[in-house]
Amino acid sequence: AQKITQTQPGMFVQEKEAVTLDCTYDTSDPSYGLFWYKQPSSGEMIFLIYQGSYDQQNATEGRYSLNFQKARKSANLVISASQLGDSAMYFCAMRTIGNEKLTFGTGTRLTIIP
Amino acid sequence: DVKVTQSSRYLVKRTGEKVFLECVQDMDHENMFWYRQDPGLGLRLIYFSYDVKMKEKGDIPEGYSVSREKKERFSLILESASTNQTSMYLCASSPARGRIQETQYFGPGTRLLVL
Repeated sequence: AQKITQTQPGMFVQEKEAVTLDCTYDTSDPSYGLFWYKQPSSGEMIFLIYQGSYDQQNATEGRYSLNFQKARKSANLVISASQLGDSAMYFCAMRTIGNEKLTFGTGTRLTIIP
Repeated sequence: DVKVTQSSRYLVKRTGEKVFLECVQDMDHENMFWYRQDPGLGLRLIYFSYDVKMKEKGDIPEGYSVSREKKERFSLILESASTNQTSMYLCASSPARGRIQETQYFGPGTRLLVL
């Protein structure tokens, strides 16, 4: 069975600062993928970034990067130069090879302060 | 652009009513999913369908049923709504046997209030 743990229920960050959202995972499967989603107050889930278990480099997408530490089973999301529009819920999720389902963490509510 | 639509953004129902939540996707995806989202609990899978008329229970199927008569449409049914089913319901779809990096595509969600 897979498990995703997000230990930060809420975070407050000053605008323009970088922020790290924590995610640890547990699986016995050697082949897996990790996803981060953003959910604004409107409700839709927006896919941000993906990291595969065999990827040699940390994933980056614009201001988003993933700090992937395989031995520690962590996949933290880093948002650089935060903006007011980054205020949202953020979810970490995992999928193992051959499994169509995603397992989600409990989420972190990020609030950017002007 | 992948589009997943849900029949209602907000819904208010009475205890004991039968409730239908509809989800439609336009990308010819084989897989469709129903989740409920509650504060502090994240997204939990209710049911999953991998083909027309095929379904699989998720983590919290009690009190729910589903129907998939057409590939593009996946319905979640609350046979007799209860107050503990007040929640945000999210539908998602994905291609079958897709690449592991393939994301699920989500609808806008339905906020259901059961009084």
